[in-house]
Amino acid sequence: EPEVTQTPSHQVTQMGQEVILRCVPISNHLYFYWYRQILGQKVEFLVSFYNNEISEKSEIFDDQFSVERPDGSNFTLKIRSTKLEDSAMYFCASSESLAETQYFGPGTRLLVL
Amino acid sequence: EDQVTQSPEALRLQEGESSSLNCSYTVSGLRGLFWYRQDPGKGPEFLFTLYSAGEEKEKERLKATLTKKESFLHITAPKPEDSATYLCAVQAGSNDYKLSFGAGTTVTVRA
Repeated sequence: EPEVTQTPSHQVTQMGQEVILRCVPISNHLYFYWYRQILGQKVEFLVSFYNNEISEKSEIFDDQFSVERPDGSNFTLKIRSTKLEDSAMYFCASSESLAETQYFGPGTRLLVL
Repeated sequence: EDQVTQSPEALRLQEGESSSLNCSYTVSGLRGLFWYRQDPGKGPEFLFTLYSAGEEKEKERLKATLTKKESFLHITAPKPEDSATYLCAVQAGSNDYKLSFGAGTTVTVRA
């Protein structure tokens, strides 16, 4: 069964450093999303992406964040200058169309020291 | 702003003891309500999508129902492997396709 994959599974970084989280969405899906979950809190929407541009973003997704689809299979989330409060699980999701089910990857646990 | 409230926060069941989880929502223009299962340290795993009041979906020991204000996830004769956090999420609005999640209900099933 097709699934969303994410790398790395864990990332430890120093405050102020740049990190890139990578995702391979399900192959025939056209809509891509990033969510995050701070330990013990709700899953929160960050951004949605379609046709090589952002279609929607939350207040959390400020200028420190960016997304890119560098090739036909990968979808990345970059945090330019990490802060302690960026420590969380980051989930990538994809869907076939906007109203269809979003399927989630296993997540990347980011720890900012 | 979309509001999704799940209750109870935690549920401890004996194996075979059926129960229900609640997800109440306050949204403008519900497009879909989604149930996911999340195991510790893992990503949400899709269970069901419900689109309109009165709709029901079933999968093994789980059954999801939807009304105009809330959804229920019924667990019939649960087994220890049903232990997980169950997340409810809504998609609402005409140009809004993000999922808004509730805080989840953590279910523990004892053998």
